[in-house]
Amino acid sequence: QVQLQQWGAGLLKPSETLSLTCAVYGGSFSGYYWTWVRQPPGKGLEWIGEINHGGGTNFNPSLKSRVTMSVDTSKNQFSLKLISVAAADTAVYYCARGIHLWPLAYWGQGTLVTVSS
Amino acid sequence: AIRMTQSPSSLSASTGDRVTITCRASQGISTYLAWYQQKPGKAPKLLIYSASTLQNGVPSRFSGSGSGTDFTLTISNLQSEDFATYYCQQYYSYPPYTFGQGTKLDIK
Repeated sequence: QVQLQQWGAGLLKPSETLSLTCAVYGGSFSGYYWTWVRQPPGKGLEWIGEINHGGGTNFNPSLKSRVTMSVDTSKNQFSLKLISVAAADTAVYYCARGIHLWPLAYWGQGTLVTVSS
Repeated sequence: AIRMTQSPSSLSASTGDRVTITCRASQGISTYLAWYQQKPGKAPKLLIYSASTLQNGVPSRFSGSGSGTDFTLTISNLQSEDFATYYCQQYYSYPPYTFGQGTKLDIK
């Protein structure tokens, strides 16, 4: 049974850096694309990007300049950093497990990140 | 980026009804189309992939169809647990993968 558990700071000030981590339990860590998706309050889903176990990444062009992702294969964890956050980055952030050109079958519980001065 | 447009944005129905949600892609995506169900405060749940294949454990009252640019999700014999928001997603071309804006299905 694959489970994703995520955590990170929930309240940030404008210009700070968002930092979230997701731990994967069950299943293999290699061979998958570890993904982040966000959802502003009351709005739809936005794909942020993905990283594979080797550190290869793909990002949404709309966020690419501010996003970094990393993996720690020794702990089966992956992380998201988003720099220079603004109110528009307020959202529930989800981690998920993907496969190349395939939908997301496993998701974390979500973390609400609020950006407010 | 491929734009995904869902209709309607919201829909009211009663238990036992049959409902259809439509998703249109801005360019052809073959059958690289998924449907998700999301309930308040929960992560999305994958229902259908490859436009018409049910994910394990999804009830057979859910069905999907379409290819190219036009797709539908149909829910037959609506149950109380089906009232939720539904999203389509294309995974034909990325980055980025893109989602529709969502269709909220509520009780009439």
